[in-house]
Amino acid sequence: ETGVTQSPTHLIKTRGQQVTLRCSSQSGHNTVSWYQQALGQGPQFIFQYYREEENGRGNFPPRFSGLQFPNYSSELNVNALELDDSALYLCASRGGHNEQFFGPGTRLTVL
Amino acid sequence: AQKITQTQPGMFVQEKEAVTLDCTYDTSDPSYGLFWYKQPSSGEMIFLIYQGSYDQQNATEGRYSLNFQKARKSANLVISASQLGDSAMYFCAMREATAGNTGKLIFGQGTTLQVKP
Repeated sequence: ETGVTQSPTHLIKTRGQQVTLRCSSQSGHNTVSWYQQALGQGPQFIFQYYREEENGRGNFPPRFSGLQFPNYSSELNVNALELDDSALYLCASRGGHNEQFFGPGTRLTVL
Repeated sequence: AQKITQTQPGMFVQEKEAVTLDCTYDTSDPSYGLFWYKQPSSGEMIFLIYQGSYDQQNATEGRYSLNFQKARKSANLVISASQLGDSAMYFCAMREATAGNTGKLIFGQGTTLQVKP
């Protein structure tokens, strides 16, 4: 148990729709990162939030956006869904410099 | 450029034996951290072990040890006394200091380990 939770566990959407994924960080961790993991691949960094502000972004278009709340929970929003957005979405909360704990992930299917 | 390379797509090991999963990395940053994660079929990434670039000793965590060879830029994971529950995908990842405080991890493609009874 990492103390990082994500919801929902599974989600099915159609092309063009919008989706919101949620993450609750481990207690005391004020930094959260989001990753996209396509089938058979390693996770790819989407972005990170620290104290409610985005402070790092990977190679993802602006239709991927996020929020972090004062209680350090976080959301990942994806607009105008495309088929290639089908993936496992992982959030990770960070404590010390060598700790980064992942949640169980949300599996998104875009039809 | 590929920064983390895991050349073994799949590995088999007999229960109770040791196994080494290979990882090489590429960075020009003198300060970096290396991580290994286990991902069972359920999908959760489970943190196993961490090695800092300036750490003098190889990291160990229970049955996991990291064979860190800095000059060769390799960070192989050694699992001793394999158990059936070790069957999973294993990822090597790196965080560079030049990533600032982003905490961005760069992952390899992963190695699937199957432990045979």
